[in-house]
Amino acid sequence: SQKIEQNSEALNIQEGKTATLTCNYTNYSPAYLQWYRQDPGRGPVFLLLIRENEKEKRKERLKVTFDTTLKQSLFHITASQPADSATYLCALGRGAGNMLTFGGGTRLMVKP
Amino acid sequence: GAVVSQHPSRVICKSGTSVKIECRSLDFQATTMFWYRQFPKKSLMLMATSNEGSKATYEQGVEKDKFLINHASLTLSTLTVTSAHPEDSSFYICSAYTRQGSGTEAFFGQGTRLTVV
Repeated sequence: SQKIEQNSEALNIQEGKTATLTCNYTNYSPAYLQWYRQDPGRGPVFLLLIRENEKEKRKERLKVTFDTTLKQSLFHITASQPADSATYLCALGRGAGNMLTFGGGTRLMVKP
Repeated sequence: GAVVSQHPSRVICKSGTSVKIECRSLDFQATTMFWYRQFPKKSLMLMATSNEGSKATYEQGVEKDKFLINHASLTLSTLTVTSAHPEDSSFYICSAYTRQGSGTEAFFGQGTRLTVV
């Protein structure tokens, strides 16, 4: 069965450092992978999408890589700030309008 | 970006009563909406796919008679938790896709915290 794994333990880093979150998947061939941010008591908010034929995507301080051979995506936040503290979810999908399958999320804590 | 509005954000109800949660796409038409349930510190669990003008598709293990879904228009889907019990207490979130641009981005509602006492 499909499985998406994110580090369930919280990631604690110091302000200004780069945070790196991992998303691994098995038994799945996604056409694209997405990253979402979720704050407590709120719905997820879309951050980035990367397609299967793309290796890397950037948006401001965010960078996502996608390795379909390793079946892994890395999500980086450079120059992290306390405001970046949240839970980050990865999600995989196959086609336009297709339902997404979510990972368990990783909680990031950026300390000042 | 597209906006999905979910209401109410919080609701407390007595055991045995029913609760309706609304999910609206404010500036786009959504032929398909999704309803999720999320337990504390857990990921989103897909409950059902809501299709405009037709019956919802429920995931395995989700009771369709307990979680009634109605997608009456292209901008509104409702989830009714019938005869609620304390174990139904959870965070419920809806989402919708747009078919503009990549057409693969999901927009989520704010979520509804349901507490059954």
